[in-house]
Amino acid sequence: QQQVKQSPQSLIVQKGGISIINCAYENTAFDYFPWYQQFPGKGPALLIAIRPDVSEKKEGRFTISFNKSAKQFSLHIMDSQPGDSATYFCAAIIGGANNLFFGTGTRLTVIP
Amino acid sequence: DADVTQTPRNRITKTGKRIMLECSQTKGHDRMYWYRQDPGLGLRLIYYSFDVKDINKGEISDGYSVSRQAQAKFSLSLESAIPNQTALYFCATSESSTGSYNEQFFGPGTRLTVL
Repeated sequence: QQQVKQSPQSLIVQKGGISIINCAYENTAFDYFPWYQQFPGKGPALLIAIRPDVSEKKEGRFTISFNKSAKQFSLHIMDSQPGDSATYFCAAIIGGANNLFFGTGTRLTVIP
Repeated sequence: DADVTQTPRNRITKTGKRIMLECSQTKGHDRMYWYRQDPGLGLRLIYYSFDVKDINKGEISDGYSVSRQAQAKFSLSLESAIPNQTALYFCATSESSTGSYNEQFFGPGTRLTVL
């Protein structure tokens, strides 16, 4: 059973547009929600993360929005660039635990 | 030099063969992990190790075994490979956790094909 559900599976956005990837979870014990970015031929790398005690976290063009009551969180990429083309994974973990539960991934393509 | 290295990067093998994937790290981290990535399923944890003497099963450990030869080395073995073990395998490392999340750093992956 997928602990973290992610959508869409793929996304095509024009350069300068906003990319939005959504994730949902059921386990209320999760208390840390990282997003990983993976380029072809590379391993995933941490992009940005949020704890459920805040509703939004912004780092440059990347923003996580978190809705604790709905058990949903999303990644927004503002002013999307071709260099953002990659696969994005949301994830969830219980603090101090070791099993990082990943979503199924979203393949983002930004068209010039 | 890469902090987390994996060998081989690509491997094709036949059903029933024993195969070992190796991971080395220079980050000085105590914790190491093995994941597999399948299209449409994301990454799933196979095994993890807190230190040389501590090995733990993850979500999908059946058909796999591991060995932590040193703090810097963590190997994944498939004793008798089967086609549904065809996947992309990632090693990761992190510092020890004290109740909070510590970022996991991933290697470049090993693409394994079992015919």
